[in-house]
Amino acid sequence: EDQVTQSPEALRLQEGESSSLNCSYTVSGLRGLFWYRQDPGKGPEFLFTLYSAGEEKEKERLKATLTKKESFLHITAPKPEDSATYLCAVVPNDYKLSFGAGTTVTVRA
Amino acid sequence: DAGITQSPRHKVTETGTPVTLRCHQTENHRYMYWYRQDPGHGLRLIHYSYGVKDTDKGEVSDGYSVSRSKTEDFLLTLESATSSQTSVYFCAISPERSQPQHFGDGTRLSIL
Repeated sequence: EDQVTQSPEALRLQEGESSSLNCSYTVSGLRGLFWYRQDPGKGPEFLFTLYSAGEEKEKERLKATLTKKESFLHITAPKPEDSATYLCAVVPNDYKLSFGAGTTVTVRA
Repeated sequence: DAGITQSPRHKVTETGTPVTLRCHQTENHRYMYWYRQDPGHGLRLIHYSYGVKDTDKGEVSDGYSVSRSKTEDFLLTLESATSSQTSVYFCAISPERSQPQHFGDGTRLSIL
């Protein structure tokens, strides 16, 4: 059974304080990994796709990386508007996504 | 934003009643999905569709049925709602199964 674990569950940061979120997984053949951002009362918003170990993607203050067993989402010099829940999802061989429970990030000004 | 509309956005109903949620897309994507999201759990796949009249089960399909009679509409039905089906339901779409899914803003369903 595919499993996805995100840590920590919650992260409180001061504005400008960089940090990383972890997504570890066991999956029957990895086709890819997605990162999403979710704001309260909204649906997840797509951020990145990673396909193979060693791959990195960047968007503004966010950078996602992938190894064979985990992915990291690095937030550099975060701002209050980066406050959200960040979800990762693995794409296994059958293409039925497995999502982690998410990391809720709060950035204080 | 991907053109996905979910209706209703909120619903309160009683145990044992049938409930139908609708997802409408304007992107002409082949794949459509229904998920539920509960505290402490990731999004869990209920059913998905890969074309008109073509559907398949997900991880938590018991108690749910779906139908897709047009490319743009995907319906989720709870035949006899139970309190354990209280949740937030999300519809998602993608052009192909390997590509990222884009989500609607959800339906909050409460079953009393």
